[in-house]
Amino acid sequence: DAGVIQSPRHEVTEMGQEVTLRCKPISGHNSLFWYRQTMMRGLELLIYFNNNVPIDDSGMPEDRFSAKMPNASFSTLKIQPSEPRDSAVYFCASSPLGLPGQETQYFGPGTRLLVL
Amino acid sequence: AQSVTQLGSHVSVSEGALVLLRCNYSSSVPPYLFWYVQYPNQGLQLLLKYTSAATLVKGINGFEAEFKKSETSFHLTKPSAHMSDAAEYFCAVSPPSSNTGKLIFGQGTTLQVKP
Repeated sequence: DAGVIQSPRHEVTEMGQEVTLRCKPISGHNSLFWYRQTMMRGLELLIYFNNNVPIDDSGMPEDRFSAKMPNASFSTLKIQPSEPRDSAVYFCASSPLGLPGQETQYFGPGTRLLVL
Repeated sequence: AQSVTQLGSHVSVSEGALVLLRCNYSSSVPPYLFWYVQYPNQGLQLLLKYTSAATLVKGINGFEAEFKKSETSFHLTKPSAHMSDAAEYFCAVSPPSSNTGKLIFGQGTTLQVKP
């Protein structure tokens, strides 16, 4: 399996622009997670989906952030408009159905976002 | 609420020395516990996990961790550090009631290995 695929790997944009990050989870996995990692705040869970349905979006910073999962093989995280403080590495992870609470999360390589 | 605390944001050891990375959890019910490793410019990957089958858990790359309920700890150890072990290590907890794979991560510990 190719693992979790994220695109783009790097994104540089200007403040105010729309940014769309993409994720393809591992085939057959039923949960998908979006994280943000910064030096100051560490690893933060933004939102997660179970069977394509958003379960908890309490980690989404504000209305400028939105996430969708239209089908089991694709998810997007959108920032509109972007701000310099959104600069971070964004990770997508997926996990298979398993014994409750024991599922392993598989992380993608991340998208490094820089907002100027 | 479930949480994990990793003592020490940076740990430095010499090559060949013992590695000890500390993790304590807070929970009224023993949770499931995980250690993940993140190498530079990569995503996290699972080292090992405790799922109540055995208190001493062996993982990849020679790492192991022992679940100690009395101390609410799940410290990660490796007898002899290699240069390739230099990375950031995250302890994580999964609430027993969770059925979606959600994890709560600690702040991470950066391991430096000196030659």
